[in-house]
Amino acid sequence: AQSVTQPDIHITVSEGASLELRCNYSYGATPYLFWYVQSPGQGLQLLLKYFSGDTLVQGIKGFEAEFKRSQSSFNLRKPSVHWSDAAEYFCAVAGGSYIPTFGRGTSLIVHP
Amino acid sequence: EAGVVQSPRYKIIEKKQPVAFWCNPISGHNTLYWYLQNLGQGPELLIRYENEEAVDDSQLPKDRFSAERLKGVDSTLKIQPAELGDSAVYLCASSPGAQETQYFGPGTRLLVL
Repeated sequence: AQSVTQPDIHITVSEGASLELRCNYSYGATPYLFWYVQSPGQGLQLLLKYFSGDTLVQGIKGFEAEFKRSQSSFNLRKPSVHWSDAAEYFCAVAGGSYIPTFGRGTSLIVHP
Repeated sequence: EAGVVQSPRYKIIEKKQPVAFWCNPISGHNTLYWYLQNLGQGPELLIRYENEEAVDDSQLPKDRFSAERLKGVDSTLKIQPAELGDSAVYLCASSPGAQETQYFGPGTRLLVL
């Protein structure tokens, strides 16, 4: 069975600082990997996804993520955080069925 | 392009009452998903439709939950009777096909008293 661990429940950063959100997955083969963002009262929006090829994936809103097979990780990064990035971030893994299994999420708090 | 539409956005009911949620997917999207999101958790799939056919409903509690997607467009998810533990956000998503990006609606937040 596939699973995702997001070890940080909350992350607090200052506006303008860099950000890294951690994600570790468990899946027996090459996975599909996703990062979604959810603002309060909103649905999930896809930031980026990894299927194959280049292990560094660029997404929307200046986010990127790197797939590291040896570490079973898919960490999300952004070089400079904006106050509008405050939200809940979900990592997800999928197999051949393409049905994602989500982590419990990391809440990002941005200080001015 | 309009996104996934869900209604109502909020619903408060007493336990043992029935409740229904409605979802209108993005036009042309053949695949529709219903997810359950408990507080502090990620979404969990309840059911997936390919057009009118429910192709993955293994996580749907069939004793009280039912869903339908007539004509392969709109979908409704029903709970009867509702229990306190059903309080959660119910998310609908759609995608052009089974292995394509999912687009999520804003969800229906259900509170069962």
